[in-house]
Amino acid sequence: EAGVTQFPSHSVIEKGQTVTLRCDPISGHDNLYWYRRVMGKEIKFLLHFVKESKQDESGMPNNRFLAERTGGTYSTLKVQPAELEDSGVYFCASSSVAEHNEQFFGPGTRLTVL
Amino acid sequence: GEDVEQSLFLSVREGDSSVINCTYTDSSSTYLYWYKQEPGAGLQLLTYIFSNMDMKQDQRLTVLLNKKDKHLSLRIADTQTGDSAIYFCAEVSGGYQKVTFGIGTKLQVIP
Repeated sequence: EAGVTQFPSHSVIEKGQTVTLRCDPISGHDNLYWYRRVMGKEIKFLLHFVKESKQDESGMPNNRFLAERTGGTYSTLKVQPAELEDSGVYFCASSSVAEHNEQFFGPGTRLTVL
Repeated sequence: GEDVEQSLFLSVREGDSSVINCTYTDSSSTYLYWYKQEPGAGLQLLTYIFSNMDMKQDQRLTVLLNKKDKHLSLRIADTQTGDSAIYFCAEVSGGYQKVTFGIGTKLQVIP
């Protein structure tokens, strides 16, 4: 069974540009989470989807970040316009009640804003 | 508030035991996790302990939980070079299973 996949694995953009990160959860997992690790700091929660609905978006840093999960399958996280402090590794995770809500993580997308 | 703290770096010799420590602040945590991240890979759930347990053993791994002091430790017996990775302590709380991570401890195993 495929795990959580994320695309791209790396992205280098200039300040002011737009970037869209994609996450494909494990098939059948209703819960999808986004996290971010800024260099030298903790991995921080960004938001949580249950199917297509945003259950908790308390960790979203500001309105330059927009997450969507149309159809309740894959999710995208768009940063527009990107700033230098947005650089970091963005992790996606998914979980299912049937698997005790254990969160399975993807490999992450490393975003560098120059 | 939620805060998870752990040391940044640990170096051990192959065959020795490793102990990675962590403190957390949220007394309502339901689970406490240890995740492992190898270079270029995602976070892998290594082991977890329910908040009503004191100890959990799984092969070479022993997790100890001191709920009174909010202290969690991970002991790896007979540490191997393949154990070199970053280890994240994390707590889960709330109805929506939000995970709060520590900064990660980089374990270096010297052959």
